[in-house]
Amino acid sequence: EVQLLESGGGSVQPGGSLRLSCAASGFTFSSYAMTWVRQAPGQGLEWVSLISHSGENTYYADFVKGRFTISRDNSRDTLYLQMNNLSAEDTAVYYCAKGTGGNYGGRLDHWGQGTLVTVSS
Amino acid sequence: EIVLTQSPGTLSLSPGERATLSCRASQSVGSDYLAWYQQKPGQAPRLLIYGASSRATGIPDRFSGSGSGTDFTVTISRLEPEDFAVYYCQQHVDLPWTFGQGTKVEIK
Repeated sequence: EVQLLESGGGSVQPGGSLRLSCAASGFTFSSYAMTWVRQAPGQGLEWVSLISHSGENTYYADFVKGRFTISRDNSRDTLYLQMNNLSAEDTAVYYCAKGTGGNYGGRLDHWGQGTLVTVSS
Repeated sequence: EIVLTQSPGTLSLSPGERATLSCRASQSVGSDYLAWYQQKPGQAPRLLIYGASSRATGIPDRFSGSGSGTDFTVTISRLEPEDFAVYYCQQHVDLPWTFGQGTKVEIK
């Protein structure tokens, strides 16, 4: 059974940093692209970032470019999202999701339960 | 960036009725690169339909998807109590991936 377990969320002040983790199990993690998607309170889904299966290629939404860094450790079956210079607009539940391909992933066939990030002074 | 516009915003229906949800793209996404997700309150989204018309694993056959190019539809033939949720379309033909704003299917 595919499982994705996010951690690392919490409360942080504007300008602060957090690192989210997503521990994967139940599939060959190193074969699939992985994605972060966020959802602000009461709002819709918003794509944040994508990393290819090898970690060689990364892609970001414009609103996080230069502030967030996606990475993965295939030896630990873990996906990461380093978030710097956070602002109130980054307050959201952050989901990691598994793609169905190795390079871009395409559709997202499994999702974690999400981790809440709150940016507030 | 490809913009996806879903309609209606809210659909108020009774169990047993038919639901038709629409997603329109600002440019063509073909048919292979359009997915639908279902999200219930407090839960993560779940893949419902991929490739515009293929049901994901475990999705009952009362759900069907259609469309290509810029216009897509999900139909729920007879609403069950567990189908009342928010539905999102997503395109993955062109980065950034984008989602529609969602259609809420609520009990009338």
